[in-house]
Amino acid sequence: DTGVSQNPRHKITKRGQNVTFRCDPISEHNRLYWYRQTLGQGPEFLTYFQNEAQLEKSRLLSDRFSAERPKGSFSTLEIQRTEQGDSAMYLCASVPTGEGYTFGSGTRLTVV
Amino acid sequence: AQSVTQLDSHVSVSEGTPVLLRCNYSSSYSPSLFWYVQHPNKGLQLLLKYTSAATLVKGINGFEAEFKKSETSFHLTKPSAHMSDAAEYFCVVSSWGNAGNMLTFGGGTRLMVKP
Repeated sequence: DTGVSQNPRHKITKRGQNVTFRCDPISEHNRLYWYRQTLGQGPEFLTYFQNEAQLEKSRLLSDRFSAERPKGSFSTLEIQRTEQGDSAMYLCASVPTGEGYTFGSGTRLTVV
Repeated sequence: AQSVTQLDSHVSVSEGTPVLLRCNYSSSYSPSLFWYVQHPNKGLQLLLKYTSAATLVKGINGFEAEFKKSETSFHLTKPSAHMSDAAEYFCVVSSWGNAGNMLTFGGGTRLMVKP
């Protein structure tokens, strides 16, 4: 499969727990984006990497959210001390230079 | 700042009838505009894109959209709906800046197709 892979597909966690999601982009794509989609809404931008550099993170929703992309390959998105309002679909997309997005299928987070 | 407004949150049509999903955008410069489709439990799929070439853009599965600068609109149409078209549709504008090529999504339109 040469698409964008996100794991896990679903995550149920208790409020206050930490969660980490993984995104494996298409290997030759140097840009990687994270978006969040809440129920009934369109996705909203969270953060952006070009290779291993996180070039924009001001849209991360709070300091409980952090993302990494070590070595410019896969990326992780971590949410600490989860709250019920964090329940959403978290989408990853990879983009080659000058071309369009390829989205993954997302990780659906439910905080109970 | 870029923004997108999808004028209908839900649209219901009968199979075989035309589809019209409406989108208005706001952009400080000539925009790149897209329509994406999202089927349940599936990833976002690009239907079509406008990047300042022809104003009538043809996409996959018989969809097309027309860019009208004077009306700041980018409505999506299809002559004849099929049951498989039932999904959520998003109008999207892109912008270049610190966030690279960031996408701004509209709120979505859920298309329902009745047999």
